[in-house]
Parts: sequence; C-alpha cells; structure tokens
Amino acid sequence: SQQGEEDPQALSIQEGENATMNCSYKTSINNLQWYRQNSGRGLVHLILIRSNEREKHSGRLRVTLDTSKKSSSLLITASRAADTASYFCATVSSGNTPLVFGKGTRLSVIA
Amino acid sequence: NAGVTQTPKFQVLKTGQSMTLQCAQDMNHNSMYWYRQDPGMGLRLIYYSASEGTTDKGEVPNGYNVSRLNKREFSLRLESAAPSQTSVYFCASNPSGSGGRGYTFGSGTRLTVV
Repeated sequence: SQQGEEDPQALSIQEGENATMNCSYKTSINNLQWYRQNSGRGLVHLILIRSNEREKHSGRLRVTLDTSKKSSSLLITASRAADTASYFCATVSSGNTPLVFGKGTRLSVIA
Repeated sequence: NAGVTQTPKFQVLKTGQSMTLQCAQDMNHNSMYWYRQDPGMGLRLIYYSASEGTTDKGEVPNGYNVSRLNKREFSLRLESAAPSQTSVYFCASNPSGSGGRGYTFGSGTRLTVV
C-alpha cells in the first residue's frame, strides 16, 4: 500500500519561481527521501532526511520534516526549465525495510 | 559508468509467454529491489533481496519470481505473462538495505503484454 501521498498531483510554474511539493505519510518512519524522475528515465535520489531532523538543504533544494504531522515538504528555489520532472517522496519505516513510494507530483517549469 | 544496468529496455510479450528481466549493479551494494511503475500509481515493490542469498516478497509479488544470482545480479521472471503485467519495471540497489542511503535506480524496462 502507498505510504506517502504527494500534493499537489501537478504543478506548473514560471522559470525563476519557487516550487513547493508536500508529502504526507501514514505510519512512523526512520527516514524520508525525495526522488526526481525525468520523463522516460529512472529515478534519481535527491535528498534524505532522518526522523530526528527537521530541515535539510542541498543546493537549491530545501526539505522539511514534521513527524508530529507526518508530513514533509520539498522546496525548489529559483526553478529552471530543467527542473521539469516528477518528484516522489518515499519512506523507510524501520532500519531494514524497503522504500515505499508515493504517487508523485508532476512539476512543469515554463521558460 | 557505475550504476544499475537493466536489460532489455523494451519488450513486447504475448499473453502466456515467459521472460526474464535482468539487472546488474557494479557498486558492491548488498541490497537490490524490483519495482513496477504504473500510471498514477507511483512505484510498487515486487520483490527485494536484502543481501546475497536472501529474497523477500514486496507489495505485489503475484505472477513474479526472482533470483539473486550473486551479489551483482538480481533477475525478475514472469512465468506466464498477463496484460495486467504491462508496466515499466525498475531495478534499484542500496549499499546496506538499512535505508540510511538513497537508492540507485536503473533506467527501466518497458514491458507490454498483448
């Protein structure tokens, strides 16, 4: 069963704007990860945030985690056309359990 | 380049035919995974191998079998393909299966069963 649920399902913005995607999950987690998938390609790992962390940054990416609300957000600042892709959150419930993915957000950045 | 290699990239099968999807990684990762991706469904886990010599069922294992041939290779077999198995299949690997690191994905196999 799907653990994460991304919101919105689709997002269209202008180049240079910020893009925010949200992820809600159902059960307690060990960590939460975000992945990007360009059309017709495999998934690429972007960032991992552990359950005891509240915020992480990587380049233009900022991820927050609120375990009390069972939610996370991914912020992409100063979006570029090359950021057009689907973004998935995925969770690990405990140490050795496999990743469980949400259904993704389709981001379109218009030049 | 280091990574996960999947073969074939595309395949069309007739209902009832069998085939094996191949996956190999050259990163010395212990854990390997097979997911399928359907429109609007995200990725769903079929089978995984936490370490060489072990395999476990995921969310949607029915109609599939797997073999962890060695540390590098993890194959997925469809014994009697059905139209419901039309999907894009992704193999992934992870250093230890502990979830503390991101997964590395292959580029996928697009399978159509007619």
